[in-house]
Amino acid sequence: GENVEQHPSTLSVQEGDSAVIKCTYSDSASNYFPWYKQELGKRPQLIIDIRSNVGEKKDQRIAVTLNKTAKHFSLHITETQPEDSAVYFCAAPNIIQGAQKLVFGQGTRLTINP
Amino acid sequence: GAVVSQHPSRVICKSGTSVKIECRSLDFQATTMFWYRQFPKQSLMLMATSNEGSKATYEQGVEKDKFLINHASLTLSTLTVTSAHPEDSSFYICSATRQGLIAGNEQFFGPGTRLTVL
Repeated sequence: GENVEQHPSTLSVQEGDSAVIKCTYSDSASNYFPWYKQELGKRPQLIIDIRSNVGEKKDQRIAVTLNKTAKHFSLHITETQPEDSAVYFCAAPNIIQGAQKLVFGQGTRLTINP
Repeated sequence: GAVVSQHPSRVICKSGTSVKIECRSLDFQATTMFWYRQFPKQSLMLMATSNEGSKATYEQGVEKDKFLINHASLTLSTLTVTSAHPEDSSFYICSATRQGLIAGNEQFFGPGTRLTVL
């Protein structure tokens, strides 16, 4: 099955700087890689995702890059703001008997220092 | 579109009682619903996958007789924690995938249910 590793577990950056979170996956057949942001006590919210037919996707200050050969993908947040402080999770699909489960990384607690 | 609701948002119960949590897709038909458990400062751990009209598929280590899942329609799945104990206290979150979404993997999450067992 799929195994997802996420680093770092915690990340602290100055407001305005960039933040990068990395994930590796094990199943070369995986084709969908979402990133979720979760604030304390709330639901995970999809912030960006990428499919395996592209190498990079950008949405304003957020971008995701995918390296299929190395089986890793990264989240990039530029010009960070205090409201970016949250826990971020990457995920990759684990297709079993037609049901597409998501396997989540361990999470990264991002703190933006004013 | 793609809104998922959960009820209740918070529940406190006594040890030994059963608690039912509802997960509804409000504006779409959900092919599949997933139930997760999240302990403080940890990741989401999948408990089971639920398809409408069929038995749920449980992850290894999850007791199916303790966590009863019913997926009666394309918009409703329920999780019942039977004979709850303090160690079952956690944040339970459901998610749903949208029927008919081409190459769809995106999961839409409910707001979660905070269960506290005394």
